[in-house]
Amino acid sequence: DAGVIQSPRHEVTEMGQEVTLRCKPISGHDYLFWYRQTMMRGLELLIYFNNNVPIDDSGMPEDRFSAKMPNASFSTLKIQPSEPRDSAVYFCASSSFGQPQHFGDGTRLSIL
Amino acid sequence: AQTVTQSQPEMSVQEAETVTLSCTYDTSESNYYLFWYKQPPSRQMILVIRQEAYKQQNATENRFSVNFQKAAKSFSLKISDSQLGDTAMYFCAFMKLAMYSGGGADGLTFGKGTHLIIQP
Repeated sequence: DAGVIQSPRHEVTEMGQEVTLRCKPISGHDYLFWYRQTMMRGLELLIYFNNNVPIDDSGMPEDRFSAKMPNASFSTLKIQPSEPRDSAVYFCASSSFGQPQHFGDGTRLSIL
Repeated sequence: AQTVTQSQPEMSVQEAETVTLSCTYDTSESNYYLFWYKQPPSRQMILVIRQEAYKQQNATENRFSVNFQKAAKSFSLKISDSQLGDTAMYFCAFMKLAMYSGGGADGLTFGKGTHLIIQP
């Protein structure tokens, strides 16, 4: 079975540019999570969806960040405009009711 | 809000030894899950073991076992017969059951991690 698929695996861009991270959850999972990992703050929950509906976005740092889940098999996390402090590894994870979360391989984002 | 504390930033043991990683948490919730995730240098997040708070029996998965002390809010991970492939960051994580999503899932709250090094 395919796991959670994230793209791109690495992204390097200049400050001020729009960045879009993509995630395909495991088929049949109805929860989707976005996390960010940095050395300073560790792993933090940004937002999560249940049945494509955003449930908790309290971890989204600023209005520059937005996330969507237009259907059960796709989600995006967008940063516009990007800043150097947004550099981090961004993970997407999915799960079904009562089951552990399965993580994608992450996107390493570098903002120059 | 929940907090998870891992007090050992780094540990190093010899291959085949047993090692215990510590984790404490703070919550006012009564229904929740606890997890240990492993992150090798490849940066994958791999589930090692999970424990439901309502279960008194400690979870085990092959060489991995936990010591869950609910009253003390402690959740340590024991790795027996450690192997070189166990070298990784280990994260303790807490998840409450969210009422607004039918009690099925909520986001994970992670500790800062313990870097475990297995020496040959």
